[in-house]
Order: sequence, then C-alpha cells, then structure tokens
Amino acid sequence: EVQLVESGGGLIQPGGSLRLSCAASGFTVSSNYMHWVRQAPGKGLEWVSLIYSGGTTYYAASVKGRFTISRDSSKNTLYLQMNSLRAEDTAVYYCAREGPIYGRAFDIWGQGTMVTVSS
Amino acid sequence: EIVLTQSPGTLSLSPGERATLSCRASQSVGSTYLAWYQQEPGQAPRLLIYGASSRAPGIPDRFSGSGSGTDFTLTISRLEPEDFAVYYCQQYGNSPTFGQGTKVEIK
Repeated sequence: EVQLVESGGGLIQPGGSLRLSCAASGFTVSSNYMHWVRQAPGKGLEWVSLIYSGGTTYYAASVKGRFTISRDSSKNTLYLQMNSLRAEDTAVYYCAREGPIYGRAFDIWGQGTMVTVSS
Repeated sequence: EIVLTQSPGTLSLSPGERATLSCRASQSVGSTYLAWYQQEPGQAPRLLIYGASSRAPGIPDRFSGSGSGTDFTLTISRLEPEDFAVYYCQQYGNSPTFGQGTKVEIK
C-alpha cells in the first residue's frame, strides 16, 4: 500500500527545535518530489518546503533559514528539521508526494503530526 | 507569489443539490498546474482534480473541474452526504499556493 506516516510532533517552547519524520511505503521517496504542508488550527493549507528527486530544496519565505528538508534513502524517509520555532509555526504538518502524473498536484498525503509552540 | 481567492467562503446546500465553487488567481495559472482537494474534519486533504479538469483515480464523476487562465471552478453535480467538507484549490507556479478554502455545509 502506498502511504506516508508522519511522526515527531509535540509541544515545544519558542526558540526550540524539532525534527519531523515522514516514513513512506509503497514507493521511493528519493525518486519523487516531496513536500511539507502545514495547517494552523482552524486555518487553511500553507506550503512549507519541497525537495526534488535531484536533491534541490525550496522553502516558503516564512520558514526559510529556520527549516531544513532532507531525506534518508536507506530509511525511505523524509524529514523536516525545524529550528528557532515561533508561536506562528503551531500547526498540523503534513508530508505529501507530488504525483508524477498529476500535473504536480499532491496525490499522497500523510495523516499529519501536530506541532505546538508555546511556553 | 500567486494568490488564490476562493468564493464563497461557505456554501449552504442540501443533499442532491448542485455546488459550484470558484477559485480566482491573481495572475494567470497554467491549467496543468491547478488542482482541487477535499478535506474532511480531522483528515488530510484528498486530491480530487488535477490539471484543472482531470479527476484523480477513484473520484466519482459527480465532481468536475473547469476553467483556465485566472478563473477556475469545481462543480459537484449532486451533493452526497459525504461531500460536505472543505475544498481547496491549489496552483503550482513558482511555488505552490492554496486558496483559503470553501466550506460546503448542510443547509
């Protein structure tokens, strides 16, 4: 079965760091374009970051310089390292696959992991 | 950054009725790169439509997408109970952006 499973969320103080993981099954993370998308409580979806199959990475302006996307091919897992966390980073974080035949739409999503930044 | 504006914010309809959701872009979007998602409470988004008008696998044919340039539409021909949810449009220009969502609620 093709699926993504996130983990690593939790409660963290402002200024702290957290690493999210997204384990894939049924397909190879490193062969696909992979994204992180977040959703603040009661709000809409916000794109966060992208890693291309070739390794090039992109970030939303709101997280650039603080977040780092990466992957581990041996574990078929995507990561999001989040540093200098702020209250406004509080959200459910989803990893998603950019469907190779779906015009760059996101065809597979994880269930999400909640990150709460609060003192 | 391309801004997507969805309207209306909330659509109150009864099962069996037709729903028409709008998504307007601040600048022209290639049709290939316009998608629609459905999100039920507590769930991850689900891809409905890609390339502005192509249904994703397993999506019922009561869902249809249309439009080009800056104006796009998602139509649900006859609302089923499971269709009451929030719908987002998404474009993929320089970087992906989402609309703010339209909630389809039971009247």
